[in-house]
Amino acid sequence: GQQLNQSPQSMFIQEGEDVSMNCTSSSIFNTWLWYKQDPGEGPVLLIALYKAGELTSNGRLTAQFGITRKDSFLNISASIPSDVGIYFCAGQRGSNYKLTFGKGTLLTVNP
Amino acid sequence: KAGVTQTPRYLIKTRGQQVTLSCSPISGHRSVSWYQQTPGQGLQFLFEYFSETQRNKGNFPGRFSGRQFSNSRSEMNVSTLELGDSALYLCASSLGGALNYGYTFGSGTRLTVV
Repeated sequence: GQQLNQSPQSMFIQEGEDVSMNCTSSSIFNTWLWYKQDPGEGPVLLIALYKAGELTSNGRLTAQFGITRKDSFLNISASIPSDVGIYFCAGQRGSNYKLTFGKGTLLTVNP
Repeated sequence: KAGVTQTPRYLIKTRGQQVTLSCSPISGHRSVSWYQQTPGQGLQFLFEYFSETQRNKGNFPGRFSGRQFSNSRSEMNVSTLELGDSALYLCASSLGGALNYGYTFGSGTRLTVV
């Protein structure tokens, strides 16, 4: 089946540092989504990308839809302790109504 | 407005039993999707419903089934439970009818099979 390769698996950073994570696929996706999940909760949508090359920001978060439509990245600037959590990328293809998720990036921020 | 509501939050069942999980989508949302989340496999798509019709199904055995009611509320059922069915089951809703809508997830139902 389709796979999304998300990296890194985990990151340990100091408060104030910038963070970058990415997802790649061998398949083309029409939509890329980035979610954050806190323990015991469902994923929360951070950013949605709908066009190749699109660059979208949401506060300190910036995400881009790769030109090839096979990748996406998420940047977090000036990290703070509440950024701690698991970040997931998800892609949607064609007329298929399902989302394919990456395995997640566990972010730890040391104050 | 209220988010996606899943009930119950936690459930413990014995192998061989069956279970029914419930999801109430955001008001006005007509699409409901179900996902299984486990440490090993991550988030895996189960099925998606729109206006009471299943539009897409993931690669899960027939023991997993679902349905959607006219008010868009959805249920999923797992019969003959196995230990490997222990997981967080997440429901997501969206306006549906088009592809480019973000999905809003509920907090999930944590199912433990013993």
